[in-house]
Amino acid sequence: GEDVEQSLFLSVREGDSSVINCTYTDSSSTYLYWYKQEPGAGLQLLTYIFSNMDMKQDQRLTVLLNKKDKHLSLRIADTQTGDSAIYFCAERGPGGYNKLIFGAGTRLAVHP
Amino acid sequence: ETGVTQTPRHLVMGMTNKKSLKCEQHLGHNAMYWYKQSAKKPLELMFVYSLEERVENNSVPSRFSPECPNSSHLFLHLHTLQPEDSALYLCASSQEGTSSNEQFFGPGTRLTVL
Repeated sequence: GEDVEQSLFLSVREGDSSVINCTYTDSSSTYLYWYKQEPGAGLQLLTYIFSNMDMKQDQRLTVLLNKKDKHLSLRIADTQTGDSAIYFCAERGPGGYNKLIFGAGTRLAVHP
Repeated sequence: ETGVTQTPRHLVMGMTNKKSLKCEQHLGHNAMYWYKQSAKKPLELMFVYSLEERVENNSVPSRFSPECPNSSHLFLHLHTLQPEDSALYLCASSQEGTSSNEQFFGPGTRLTVL
């Protein structure tokens, strides 16, 4: 079946690194995505990774993919208060169109 | 700004009202989506339109009726809703046929059903 799981809450100190974890079940997923949602806003695509990669870095963001364990993580370096938001992991589901299966989201709280 | 706009941003309606949500994308995409986001459930896909044809109706009650008159516009017509339909309704678009097919989301319409 299709299922994406995330821990619901993460609290970090400003300046530290944040690591948000996600597990998925569909081994045939070709792309995995990370979205960010700030209060009162829609979802903003942060980054994505293709399943034949195990790492992707984009400025302060590092995505690690362990395809064997179906584990995806998002590391945010030097976390700032502006990074406080809900982070959603998503996998591309089956079907000819781009169906995304989302996790429940991890709420990241950054404190001084 | 993601290139996807939604109106209205907030809507309060009674159970007997009829209203419509509007979504417009300025990205030249050929697929559009409606999602429901409520406090109690993960983001739920409701409808998918690809090349202006509906390709998915995810067991959504008939009180929600989508319409896609062209590739840039998507509507969600609402009638006789229930209080449990109160949620954030998100529209998204993507370009089918590209390798990554990432979806771009609008800001959502916060719907409250009294």
